[in-house]
Amino acid sequence: NAGVTQTPKFQVLKTGQSMTLQCAQDMNHNSMYWYRQDPGMGLRLIYYSASEGTTDKGEVPNGYNVSRLNKREFSLRLESAAPSQTSVYFCASSERRRLRAVFNYGYTFGSGTRLTVV
Amino acid sequence: AQRVTQPEKLLSVFKGAPVELKCNYSYSGSPELFWYVQYSRQRLQLLLRHISRESIKGFTADLNKGETSFHLKKPFAQEEDSAMYYCALRGFGNEKLTFGTGTRLTIIP
Repeated sequence: NAGVTQTPKFQVLKTGQSMTLQCAQDMNHNSMYWYRQDPGMGLRLIYYSASEGTTDKGEVPNGYNVSRLNKREFSLRLESAAPSQTSVYFCASSERRRLRAVFNYGYTFGSGTRLTVV
Repeated sequence: AQRVTQPEKLLSVFKGAPVELKCNYSYSGSPELFWYVQYSRQRLQLLLRHISRESIKGFTADLNKGETSFHLKKPFAQEEDSAMYYCALRGFGNEKLTFGTGTRLTIIP
């Protein structure tokens, strides 16, 4: 069971370069998310996708774009990387399940991408 | 708006001593509260959810709506408890999770 797979695990970029972080899940989840994790800031939502073909901005979307290519894949693109985007990026997916008359959304996280912009 | 506050960035506790990680939240409706744990260089894992009322790895957390708190407790700390702990909230009918800033727990042998 792969769960949520992120690539690459590490990346160093120069300021102004572009790159795409890949995320794929094999759990048939409808919803997918991109978070960034920074010391003292916790996890902040960048973008999310409630279903294939839809995307919405989260708390910190500036400087990023996303694509929900299909139900499995949700990519995050940095068009012109900046040092402020140095962070650890986590992808996650979730599905709505009924648990004891309460709807519960189980989240599964990827292992993260450590990005450094110099 | 929904907000989660974890007032302690760092917490050090001796092995065998009780642990309490604080979490307060702000949300106008009925929230769902979670605790996630991240061991060194690993992915986040769900530790507890308030609706399950379970105890995982000796940890418990009770939702106190009057104090808007969801503190994580363990009576006797173990060295393997050293990790980063995040409190998270989801609003009713909303899939998005809002995380607190996290507390790094270090257990001193």
